[in-house]
Amino acid sequence: DAKTTQPPSMDCAEGRAANLPCNHSTISGNEYVYWYRQIHSQGPQYIIHGLKNNETNEMASLIITEDRKSSTLILPHATLRDTAVYYCIVPPGNTGKLIFGQGTTLQVKP
Amino acid sequence: DAGVTQSPTHLIKTRGQHVTLRCSPISGHKSVSWYQQVLGQGPQFIFQYYEKEERGRGNFPDRFSARQFPNYSSELNVNALLLGDSALYLCASSSQGLEQYFGPGTRLTVT
Repeated sequence: DAKTTQPPSMDCAEGRAANLPCNHSTISGNEYVYWYRQIHSQGPQYIIHGLKNNETNEMASLIITEDRKSSTLILPHATLRDTAVYYCIVPPGNTGKLIFGQGTTLQVKP
Repeated sequence: DAGVTQSPTHLIKTRGQHVTLRCSPISGHKSVSWYQQVLGQGPQFIFQYYEKEERGRGNFPDRFSARQFPNYSSELNVNALLLGDSALYLCASSSQGLEQYFGPGTRLTVT
């Protein structure tokens, strides 16, 4: 199973970009990288996923390095509502089994 | 469109009892997964069902079981409850992709 490593916590000023890194050096060639977030006491929320190309949607951008061993989730203009735990996940063999680590607690400050 | 719904919202049970938690997926989604989240930790995978068949099982004892019905809703059953089963139980549904959409969870307290 591809293990992911994330910093335990990060701060970001409101209105600035939040860049959340993730290391997944053991990822296999066809495994996707997924990002979810969990706001306190709510169910996790899907954000974005990617294989090798950079991806962007209405919530965020995902930058994956060329060797696919790491990625960065970018929230372009963080708001207070973006304060949450962010999880970087590589489902083993692209199965539906999401393995949540400790994630990164992002605190957006005014 | 309605999201994933779970019932009940909260539940209090006594050690040794049995509990059934219910989940209704997003309309059109055929896969349902269950996760357990204890306080301070990330969710842990319990089961995945697709088209009424078990597709994956996490590292949980046989006291945990689940099933999926023809309308794709699902039940999670836990027998012989232990204090350590106190947690937020999350249900997620997905269509053919791996994007899973989570419900609000059922908060189970075992006393």
